[in-house]
Amino acid sequence: DAGITQSPRHKVTETGTPVTLRCHQTENHRYMYWYRQDPGHGLRLIHYSYGVKDTDKGEVSDGYSVSRSKTEDFLLTLESATSSQTSVYFCAIRIAGVEETQYFGPGTRLLVL
Amino acid sequence: TQLLEQSPQFLSIQEGENLTVYCNSSSVFSSLQWYRQEPGEGPVLLVTVVTGGEVKKLKRLTFQFGDARKDSSLHITAAQPGDTGLYLCAGIYGQNFVFGPGTRLSVLP
Repeated sequence: DAGITQSPRHKVTETGTPVTLRCHQTENHRYMYWYRQDPGHGLRLIHYSYGVKDTDKGEVSDGYSVSRSKTEDFLLTLESATSSQTSVYFCAIRIAGVEETQYFGPGTRLLVL
Repeated sequence: TQLLEQSPQFLSIQEGENLTVYCNSSSVFSSLQWYRQEPGEGPVLLVTVVTGGEVKKLKRLTFQFGDARKDSSLHITAAQPGDTGLYLCAGIYGQNFVFGPGTRLSVLP
């Protein structure tokens, strides 16, 4: 599992409140990714990081921001949560190479009321 | 926008049967991956295929990458209940991963 943990694992919040999800890895991997998974859509990339303080947007980045101040932590923030952001959020680390490898965390289930 | 389609969306078969699921796109990818995901867990990588026309075997699972690098298939021989899960394909271009919506497989004993 590449030592990936996500916290919290479950969260219920109200519309308009800020929410921060944390992804933590123990193996010093350079690349980290945040995805959301919704029925019928598979996994969609929100943001990714290719190093400390180096991040870029994915397919569905609107309403989300990220920060990576140290290698092991990648934070995803919903500045003002909306009901459309109710989803399961997965963090992943990527090991780049000829045969790419990606390991996923256990996920955070977020409900925005 | 790169899009991946998967078919069928759902598949329910008896133990011992063979099956094939497909992943298709109009875009070319540098490589393609297959994952299996079980309820309440993150996806687990099964294989990465890199070369057009490549065939990889993993026990009872056979993966093929299309010659044009736009499509892929996963064939399972003699399916077992333990194969039950959501099968996702993902295309890689640059730093990005694009996932298909998945095929949900149920293997009945």
